Amino acid sequence: KQEVTQIPAALSVPEGENLVLNCSFTDSAIYNLQWFRQDPGKGLTSLLLIQSSQREQTSGRLNASLDKSSGRSTLYIAASQPGDSATYLCAVRPDNQGGKLIFGQGTELSVKP
Amino acid sequence: NAGVMQNPRHLVRRRGQEARLRCSPMKGHSHVYWYRQLPEEGLKFMVYLQKENIIDESGMPKERFSAEFPKEGPSILRIQQVVRGDSAAYFCASSPVQGSSQRSGNTIYFGEGSWLTVV
Repeated sequence: KQEVTQIPAALSVPEGENLVLNCSFTDSAIYNLQWFRQDPGKGLTSLLLIQSSQREQTSGRLNASLDKSSGRSTLYIAASQPGDSATYLCAVRPDNQGGKLIFGQGTELSVKP
Repeated sequence: NAGVMQNPRHLVRRRGQEARLRCSPMKGHSHVYWYRQLPEEGLKFMVYLQKENIIDESGMPKERFSAEFPKEGPSILRIQQVVRGDSAAYFCASSPVQGSSQRSGNTIYFGEGSWLTVV
């Protein structure tokens, strides 16, 4: 059974810092992995999607890596800003299970001005 | 292209009443997924539907919950005889036909959610 774990559960950093959020999954048979952002009381915004054959994806100040064999992904945020404060969710799409996603518990990020 | 539309955004029901949550997928998307986010918990998959078919309902509670995605109209998640433990945010997501060659063919898009409170 696929399980997704995110560490840390919460993180508080001063503005300008570079930071790394971690995601691990137990079954390497994945189709892709997706990072989302969720603001309080809001829906999910897709940040980056990495196909199982890819190693990383970049969008602006965000970079996500995937090491499928070790069951790990990281989300790197460069030069953090207060507007980055949100909960970041990692989700794995298992192979051969349709488009169903398995989510981690999320990392709650707070960037202090 | 409008995103995934969910309504109502907020719903209050008394114990024992029925809750109906609606989801209109993005234009051109024929796959719909429902997820539940309980307070202080992560999102949990409930059900995956295509038009007129339930593909995977492995995350649906065995009783009181049902989902449909008719040929015409939105997908509906129905909760009968609600209890306090059903209070949660219910998210709908949609995706295009699987195997699409479009660049975004593998991305799943989420709605803003429907917050159910049972009093």
